[in-house]
Amino acid sequence: QQQVKQSPQSLIVQKGGISIINCAYENTAFDYFPWYQQFPGKGPALLIAIRPDVSEKKEGRFTISFNKSAKQFSLHIMDSQPGDSATYFCAASIGTGANNLFFGTGTRLTVIP
Amino acid sequence: GAVVSQHPSRVICKSGTSVKIECRSLDFQATTMFWYRQFPKQSLMLMATSNEGSKATYEQGVEKDKFLINHASLTLSTLTVTSAHPEDSSFYICSARDGGARKTQYFGPGTRLLVL
Repeated sequence: QQQVKQSPQSLIVQKGGISIINCAYENTAFDYFPWYQQFPGKGPALLIAIRPDVSEKKEGRFTISFNKSAKQFSLHIMDSQPGDSATYFCAASIGTGANNLFFGTGTRLTVIP
Repeated sequence: GAVVSQHPSRVICKSGTSVKIECRSLDFQATTMFWYRQFPKQSLMLMATSNEGSKATYEQGVEKDKFLINHASLTLSTLTVTSAHPEDSSFYICSARDGGARKTQYFGPGTRLLVL
């Protein structure tokens, strides 16, 4: 059973545009929601993470929006660049990212110059 | 940031042989390390959680006798794929938990295993 559902599966965005990736979860015990960026042949790297006590977190061009009542969270990449082309995974865990992470299915982002 | 290394980065072996993959935390002590498996264009699936000095905890459906995990020190965990078969070909990724103030997982670069 997929604990975290992610969409879309793939996304193509023009350079300078906004990339939006959505995730949903069912387990209300989850209280840590990170996003990971993975380039081909590499391990995932933590991009940004949020806890449910805030509705939004911004770090540079990356923003997480969190809707606790809807059990949804999303990643927004502003001013998308070709270098952002990668696969993005949302995840969820209980406690902190130090505990078991449940990953979404991934979104392959392509930013066209 | 914290660094986790994996060795080898890529390995090709014959069916029936065993392959060992090392995962090291380079600048922190990791009381817990996680092993994931990732098939092409798919998500990461947790295989097992290993704690230093104790037996690993395997996820449902993962054969513990086939995927041997040893976490002998606070900076090293190994995954041995025994009697490898072509269906074991995959991308294996480890992560290490920083037990200090940061309390998060740091991922290694992954090991690509191809079993012929």
